[in-house]
Amino acid sequence: QQQVKQSPQSLIVQKGGISIINCAYENTAFDYFPWYQQFPGKGPALLIAIRPDVSEKKEGRFTISFNKSAKQFSLHIMDSQPGDSATYFCAASMVSGTYKYIFGTGTRLKVLA
Amino acid sequence: DAGITQSPRHKVTETGTPVTLRCHQTENHRYMYWYRQDPGHGLRLIHYSYGVKDTDKGEVSDGYSVSRSKTEDFLLTLESATSSQTSVYFCATSGSQETQYFGPGTRLLVL
Repeated sequence: QQQVKQSPQSLIVQKGGISIINCAYENTAFDYFPWYQQFPGKGPALLIAIRPDVSEKKEGRFTISFNKSAKQFSLHIMDSQPGDSATYFCAASMVSGTYKYIFGTGTRLKVLA
Repeated sequence: DAGITQSPRHKVTETGTPVTLRCHQTENHRYMYWYRQDPGHGLRLIHYSYGVKDTDKGEVSDGYSVSRSKTEDFLLTLESATSSQTSVYFCATSGSQETQYFGPGTRLLVL
């Protein structure tokens, strides 16, 4: 019940295309859902996050769509660029308490020029 | 970026030897975390701290211990390193907000 399932494992997109990464969770007590971006040799960095009281959050080319009833959320990268090539991790946590994250297994995105 | 440093950044050690990794933060964040990152597993929580001398286990804590004697430092110790502990280790911190800030990582190879 603590798992966060992420798909696909890898993704190749043409420059200018839309990249979509999906995550699903089981524990309905989760109330904070961040996405992290990681470049090779670096630590993960927060990209965008959402709480379950909204169905969508957009920051520039990055959008999180959230479906509470289905217990799913996804990251959409519009107009994907080669600089977006990185590994993306979704996560889920319960804000009250110690902010422990449960991470998905990651998606390696490659955007072709 | 939050001021988080990890040391060493790379280490090669032999099976059975003790290893200590250090995480240092300058943000005065209350919460600190140790993760390991392995292909196909994402990031898995080893131990975390919710204050000085207050620590608890994560999902993969066997073979690891931690200590936090000062707000700014969080140490991860492998009591007797095994090859299965070859991994990249990340420290993270969090203040009063939900965001966790990650350090640059330590690449550990156990031969």
